[in-house]
Amino acid sequence: NAGVMQNPRHLVRRRGQEARLRCSPVKGHSHVYWYRQLPEEGLKFMVYLQKENIIDESGMPKERFSAEFPKEGPSILRIQQVVRGDSAAYFCASSPVPPGYNQPQHFGDGTRLSIL
Amino acid sequence: DQQVKQNSPSLSVQEGRISILNCDYTNSMFDYFLWYKKYPAEGPTFLISISSIKDKNEDGRFTVFLNKSAKHLSLHIVPSQPGDSAVYFCAASAKSGGSNYKLTFGKGTLLTVNP
Repeated sequence: NAGVMQNPRHLVRRRGQEARLRCSPVKGHSHVYWYRQLPEEGLKFMVYLQKENIIDESGMPKERFSAEFPKEGPSILRIQQVVRGDSAAYFCASSPVPPGYNQPQHFGDGTRLSIL
Repeated sequence: DQQVKQNSPSLSVQEGRISILNCDYTNSMFDYFLWYKKYPAEGPTFLISISSIKDKNEDGRFTVFLNKSAKHLSLHIVPSQPGDSAVYFCAASAKSGGSNYKLTFGKGTLLTVNP
């Protein structure tokens, strides 16, 4: 499967714990995007990363949330001290070319995060 | 403030007929539009896109129409097949400001194609 791989598919955490969501982009794609989908809502942009750089994190809450895309390994979305409102589906997407070109983003199957 | 609106939460059509899914937007800076299809427990799958310099783009059974003056686009599926049953999301981005990677999604329309 050469698509975007996300794991885990389902993650259950208790309030106050940390959640780590992983995303491996399509091979050869160096641009990664994270989106969040709350129930009955559309996907909402959170952050755009390139290898070792955060390009735009304007959609990410200022506190408790962080993202990285290291030189080696998957991109990680980290949520510290989770609260019930963090329960959502988190989708990662990747693209092969930088912004400025009309290329669709390819999405993974998401991580469903549930907070008890 | 919802910049991309899909006002029909659901649509039901008969197999073989045409499905028309609608999408309205409010941000006049949007210049690239996409349709994604999503099955339960899966990620969105890209279907078709259109740039604002065009008013129509066709790919097999799927055609997207763009009416810039009305800030409206639609996705036509003909003929509809039961396998087309899914949630369809309209998305848009704006090249200005260098942020055309930032997709803005509608809430989706659940299409059911009945055999």
